[in-house]
Amino acid sequence: QKEVEQDPGPLSVPEGAIVSLNCTYSNSAFQYFMWYRQYSRKGPELLMYTYSSGNKEDGRFTAQVDKSSKYISLFIRDSQPSDSATYLCAMSSDSNYQLIWGAGTKLIIKP
Amino acid sequence: DTGVSQDPRHKITKRGQNVTFRCDPISEHNRLYWYRQTLGQGPEFLTYFQNEAQLEKSRLLSDRFSAERPKGSFSTLEIQRTEQGDSAMYLCASSLLRGSQETQYFGPGTRLLVL
Repeated sequence: QKEVEQDPGPLSVPEGAIVSLNCTYSNSAFQYFMWYRQYSRKGPELLMYTYSSGNKEDGRFTAQVDKSSKYISLFIRDSQPSDSATYLCAMSSDSNYQLIWGAGTKLIIKP
Repeated sequence: DTGVSQDPRHKITKRGQNVTFRCDPISEHNRLYWYRQTLGQGPEFLTYFQNEAQLEKSRLLSDRFSAERPKGSFSTLEIQRTEQGDSAMYLCASSLLRGSQETQYFGPGTRLLVL
């Protein structure tokens, strides 16, 4: 079993919908949680960075961390075709800064 | 552009040849990472530097791979005697470690195709 599990998709939704992307993990030592967006043939771009549990909002994006369930989510409100990309979750612990990655979920927003 | 840059963006080579990639991190960033990414997967950690010291190297990294960061600024990743299985996107990221806070910023990647 991988340390971080992420549904590869593709997830296809109509423009304007609320999108929910998720990752589960097994290592309770993870404290830092990130969401990256990656367009085709480009490097990952950091979207959200969260420490420990709780919610964080930035514009149309909200990141949630539930450490008790070992589950993190990224919500995208009012989704746009330009949001079509692969979304990768990544996490690390206090003792090891190395990022552990999910495989990424491919998101398609249909106009 | 003050982001992470990588060169070349694309490389096609024949099996058995050596290739070298370069990464220029964000100025003042003290950490530099190399990753490999194949289609449908997240980035796979290869190695990282803090300033000029190489602090960790993946157990998956064969002896054909070597990386340097001679002056704590740019870094090179060399693959000797390339194999078809080395075909992937090679990503570089840099970060500034402040206490326990660290955010990695990625370059555009070098896409390698070994024929």
